[in-house]
Amino acid sequence: DIQMTQSPASLSASLEEIVTITCKASQGIDDYLSWYQQKPGKSPQLLIYDATSLADGVPSRFSGSRSGTQYSLKISRPQVDDSGIYYCLQSYSTPYTFGAGTKLELK
Amino acid sequence: EVQLQQSGPEVGRPGSSVKISCKASGYTFTDYVMNWVKQSPGQGLEWIGWIDPEYGSTDYAEKFKKKATLTADTSSNTAYIQLSSLTSEDTATYFCAWGSPFAYWGQGTLVTVSS
Repeated sequence: DIQMTQSPASLSASLEEIVTITCKASQGIDDYLSWYQQKPGKSPQLLIYDATSLADGVPSRFSGSRSGTQYSLKISRPQVDDSGIYYCLQSYSTPYTFGAGTKLELK
Repeated sequence: EVQLQQSGPEVGRPGSSVKISCKASGYTFTDYVMNWVKQSPGQGLEWIGWIDPEYGSTDYAEKFKKKATLTADTSSNTAYIQLSSLTSEDTATYFCAWGSPFAYWGQGTLVTVSS
């Protein structure tokens, strides 16, 4: 199984910062990597797919990138509404695996 | 507009089974597989498996092979997950998710295992 090591587990950021969350895959996943935001009591929402493509309706302050087998989600000048838990997902091979999640608090 | 409407919360006794539905609309049901995801209380997301509604073929994560059964009814555009031999470990919210990757999600169904 492919392991997705996500970090950090939590972070607190100001509205002026650039927030970066990373997921390292235990092997190559050919950019079959997506990012999701989940708010309490809600379903996850797709933000980024294929590592770098922005999902429909997602603000351009969200972006994705890759370096080797490490994938990153960046939020530039986050808004208060960006608080929540962020997950990565590899859909390269089954069993599909999620990262453990990053809880983002905006201050 | 793609919509996935899941059935309501379930309470199951230990050792029993529950079946959750996910009714799809806004797209051709057989266009792509339907995935199911588990989220235990306060925990992260776990992929359970997928079903191809057109062929009925399935793929499961190993730990769910004896726990979950995925089916689909193309006449009603509905996917189902049945959870058997319920234990407290099965108390969780279960989501259906469609698209490549999971672009659309149901609202989730809470399953509570309690005697």
